[in-house]
Amino acid sequence: EAGVAQSPRYKIIEKRQSVAFWCNPISGHATLYWYQQILGQGPKLLIQFQNNGVVDDSQLPKDRFSAERLKGVDSTLKIQPAKLEDSAVYLCASGETGQGYNEQFFGPGTRLTVL
Amino acid sequence: GDSVTQMEGPVTLSEEAFLTINCTYTATGYPSLFWYVQYPGEGLQLLLKATKADDKGSNKGFEATYRKETTSFHLEKGSVQVSDSAVYFCALYNAGNNRKLIWGLGTSLAVNP
Repeated sequence: EAGVAQSPRYKIIEKRQSVAFWCNPISGHATLYWYQQILGQGPKLLIQFQNNGVVDDSQLPKDRFSAERLKGVDSTLKIQPAKLEDSAVYLCASGETGQGYNEQFFGPGTRLTVL
Repeated sequence: GDSVTQMEGPVTLSEEAFLTINCTYTATGYPSLFWYVQYPGEGLQLLLKATKADDKGSNKGFEATYRKETTSFHLEKGSVQVSDSAVYFCALYNAGNNRKLIWGLGTSLAVNP
């Protein structure tokens, strides 16, 4: 079974530029998550989708970050404009839907460096 | 709010040494507890979990016991290998409160041959 796919794996941009990340979840997984992982810290949830609807985006900096999940499958996360403090690994995860906790399966992440 | 505290790294061990990585938590109710592992260049993987008090999660020689009396979920392995070198994250999920994974900061482990 294919895992969660993310691209690109690495991205270097200058501050004030825009960047987009792509995620393809495991087939059949209704829930999709985007996390930001700053070096030396645990992952921070940015946004959670259930199919193509947003369940939680309380920690998404909406002035610069946006995310969409059209058709309830692939998702893109965009940063516009980027700041130095956005340098981090952006992780996508997917999971099944149900009561209680459902295991989240993570992609390899995209490492963003903002210069 | 709920929180997870795990021991700071990096931890450096020789092959076949005993490993303990401490994890304590603060949460209302009865959270589920997890250890995730992140190998170099890879995504996070669930290593083991425990969903109620006194449960022991185990996988790949690693174990952790959910201790409600001490609010702990320490990760242990009797004999580490070089291939265990990774970053280990303790996390909790509280269905009765915010329903998100709450993460520790991670502990880096390096195992030398």
